[in-house]
Amino acid sequence: EDQVTQSPEALRLQEGESSSLNCSYTVSGLRGLFWYRQDPGKGPEFLFTLYSAGEEKEKERLKATLTKKESFLHITAPKPEDSATYLCAVQAVSGGSYIPTFGRGTSLIVHP
Amino acid sequence: DAGVTQSPTHLIKTRGQQVTLRCSPKSGHDTVSWYQQALGQGPQFIFQYYEEEERQRGNFPDRFSGHQYPNYSSELNVNALLLGDSALYLCASSLEGVIEKLFFGSGTQLSVL
Repeated sequence: EDQVTQSPEALRLQEGESSSLNCSYTVSGLRGLFWYRQDPGKGPEFLFTLYSAGEEKEKERLKATLTKKESFLHITAPKPEDSATYLCAVQAVSGGSYIPTFGRGTSLIVHP
Repeated sequence: DAGVTQSPTHLIKTRGQQVTLRCSPKSGHDTVSWYQQALGQGPQFIFQYYEEEERQRGNFPDRFSGHQYPNYSSELNVNALLLGDSALYLCASSLEGVIEKLFFGSGTQLSVL
């Protein structure tokens, strides 16, 4: 069974204080790993897809990296508007299923 | 270009009642997936519709059913509501076979009293 564990559950940062969020996963074969951002009362918004170990993707202050067992979402010099829940999801190769398995997310609060 | 739209945004029901939630996918998308997200949890997959048929289903009871129309819009029906059905219900659309990303609506917040 595919499993996704995100840590920490919650993170409070001061504006400008860089940090990283972790996503550990167990799948029979990784087809893709996804990062989403979710604001309160809204649906998740796509950020990145990573396919293979060593791959990196960047968008503004965010950079996602992937190893064979985990992914990191690095946040450089965060701003209050980066406050949100960040969700990680994995999609397995086996079974022809295109259904991603989501983690519980990391709730990030950035204080001004 | 309208994204994924869901209605209603909020709904309050009592135990035992039935509810229907609606979703219009992003323009050009033909596949609709439904997710349940309890407070503090990640989205849990309910089922996926493609070509008006349920293609895959998650670990949810038969009280949860759905439908997809020829215009690709979709409905989620839940019968015999339980308190534990209270959650944010999310609709996500995509193109069949394209795995890169899902487009989510803002969801329907269902409260069962």
